[in-house]
Amino acid sequence: DVKVTQSSRYLVKRTGEKVFLECVQDMDHENMFWYRQDPGLGLRLIYFSYDVKMKEKGDIPEGYSVSREKKERFSLILESASTNQTSMYLCASSLSRGGRGHQPQHFGDGTRLSIL
Amino acid sequence: AQSVSQHNHHVILSEAASLELGCNYSYGGTVNLFWYVQYPGQHLQLLLKYFSGDPLVKGIKGFEAEFIKSKFSFNLRKPSVQWSDTAEYFCAVISNNAGNMLTFGGGTRLMVKP
Repeated sequence: DVKVTQSSRYLVKRTGEKVFLECVQDMDHENMFWYRQDPGLGLRLIYFSYDVKMKEKGDIPEGYSVSREKKERFSLILESASTNQTSMYLCASSLSRGGRGHQPQHFGDGTRLSIL
Repeated sequence: AQSVSQHNHHVILSEAASLELGCNYSYGGTVNLFWYVQYPGQHLQLLLKYFSGDPLVKGIKGFEAEFIKSKFSFNLRKPSVQWSDTAEYFCAVISNNAGNMLTFGGGTRLMVKP
């Protein structure tokens, strides 16, 4: 069974801090994704990666960056955290089949991040 | 811009009632459609998916969904819900006209009363 592991379930940080959220998957998936989940807004894509060192912006990349140095690990970075980045962050991974992202995505448990 | 709409944000049903959750999307081209479920305290799980072929798709736990291309819809149904179906349900769409990125609807929170 696919396992997507996010390093923290809960995280509290201060405004202006640099924040790292880590995600690891164990199924050799090419694609990895970072979303944030907010009530009534569903999941919104921040960034995704379809290969090592490759990244593409999603719908709401502002204020975030990502790093994919190894295939199994995809990191989300908040360069200078702000209170409007308080949210649930979800990592996902999927196989590629021809085009990007058509395979079902497997999700981690999420990281609930609070910025004070 | 592409969008996915789930019109019901909260649904409350009694056990054994029938369920239909609406999902509409706004863009054309070839689409792949998904329903995900998130049970309380758990991660998102795939419920069912449509890629091609029979537009009536059967998923896990007695759920099914029907793709109606002319209505841009992919509604989720279950004939008789159980208390254990209490969860949040998300519709998601990938279109080759939208950069092959998965777009989620806002979610529908279902509560089933025992």
